[in-house]
Amino acid sequence: NAGVTQTPKFQVLKTGQSMTLQCAQDMNHNSMYWYRQDPGMGLRLIYYSASEGTTDKGEVPNGYNVSRLNKREFSLRLESAAPSQTSVYFCASSLTGTGFFYEQYFGPGTRLTVT
Amino acid sequence: KQEVTQIPAALSVPEGENLVLNCSFTDSAIYNLQWFRQDPGKGLTSLLLIQSSQREQTSGRLNASLDKSSGRSTLYIAASQPGDSATYLCAVGANFGNEKLTFGTGTRLTIIP
Repeated sequence: NAGVTQTPKFQVLKTGQSMTLQCAQDMNHNSMYWYRQDPGMGLRLIYYSASEGTTDKGEVPNGYNVSRLNKREFSLRLESAAPSQTSVYFCASSLTGTGFFYEQYFGPGTRLTVT
Repeated sequence: KQEVTQIPAALSVPEGENLVLNCSFTDSAIYNLQWFRQDPGKGLTSLLLIQSSQREQTSGRLNASLDKSSGRSTLYIAASQPGDSATYLCAVGANFGNEKLTFGTGTRLTIIP
């Protein structure tokens, strides 16, 4: 049981390049999330997916796109990277219930630098 | 807009002491509050989750309390150990679902052997 896995662990991009961050979970969770973490800002939600085939914007979605490929996988794409997207990106997953909330499980993160 | 504050930003205490970490939030209409631990260069690990109908949760040496009316939560760590050194983050879940977690910036805890 690997939990939440993310690839790559590190990435350096030049301004304008594109890339996709991959995330997979093996806990049969229906909800998945993408966050970014910046010094002094806390974690901020970029996008989330409540179930396979659905996605919704979080607090900071501009410059990103997501795909919920199946129940296990949720990818984050940067179409044209900008230095402001230099950050640590975390994927998370959780069960979702009615009237009851479940803890979120996080991956190890991807450190992205855009020059 | 919900804002979550954790003060102090950093805390150092000698090993063996009991300690309290604080979390405050501006909008009391929350559905849950979660405490996480983050080790340097790593992801977050969930420690405790308090549903809005609950007042506290306990796990081993950890106890988290929630007072929605005052917009506050505390994480109590008993008999601290060097392995407790990490950054502790709290996050609150908004009215309309777990997915809208708002995080504080964390308290970096150092336990001095």
